Amino acid sequence: NAGVTQTPKFRVLKTGQSMTLLCAQDMNHEYMYWYRQDPGMGLRLIHYSVGEGTTAKGEVPDGYNVSRLKKQNFLLGLESAAPSQTSVYFCASISGAGIERKLFFGSGTQLSVL
Amino acid sequence: DAKTTQPPSMDCAEGRAANLPCNHSTISGNEYVYWYRQIHSQGPQYIIHGLKNNETNEMASLIITEDRKSSTLILPHATLRDTAVYYCIALDRGSTLGRLYFGRGTQLTVWP
Repeated sequence: NAGVTQTPKFRVLKTGQSMTLLCAQDMNHEYMYWYRQDPGMGLRLIHYSVGEGTTAKGEVPDGYNVSRLKKQNFLLGLESAAPSQTSVYFCASISGAGIERKLFFGSGTQLSVL
Repeated sequence: DAKTTQPPSMDCAEGRAANLPCNHSTISGNEYVYWYRQIHSQGPQYIIHGLKNNETNEMASLIITEDRKSSTLILPHATLRDTAVYYCIALDRGSTLGRLYFGRGTQLTVWP
């Protein structure tokens, strides 16, 4: 049981390049979230998904797109990376309603955009 | 889900109790209070949660006021390894979730 796995762990991009961050969970969780964290800041919500095939915007969605084609995977895409997107990205997942509802986080992706 | 507010920073001497407050004045009856901590840019980790009764586990204790508008996370004997950012969130276990906001949390520094 791996929990929440993020790939890659590190990435360096040039301005204008595109990339996709993958978040995979093996806990059959309904909800998945993408956050970014900048120095001195908390976790800011980018996009989230309440189930397979659904996505919704969070606090800071501009410049990002997401997809949830399979329940276990939540992809975060940057179509044209900008230096302002240099950050640490965290994915999280949580189960549907129930007594054992807990939020689990991945270990993060450090992204640098030059 | 209810918004929470926390002080931006606190410090504590090693071996002493660290008491971290959280305000959640708009919490609803179905929302639990959860605490997470994040050590040096790792993924946040679960600490403890509660609804209205005080809770204790091997990591910490959680005290929730009778009106449920605030809570306190207690680390009974803080160590240097407890230096981290602590987040308090309110989470409804029984309904459809939407956005989950974490805010900036409280930076706890434990000094020798």
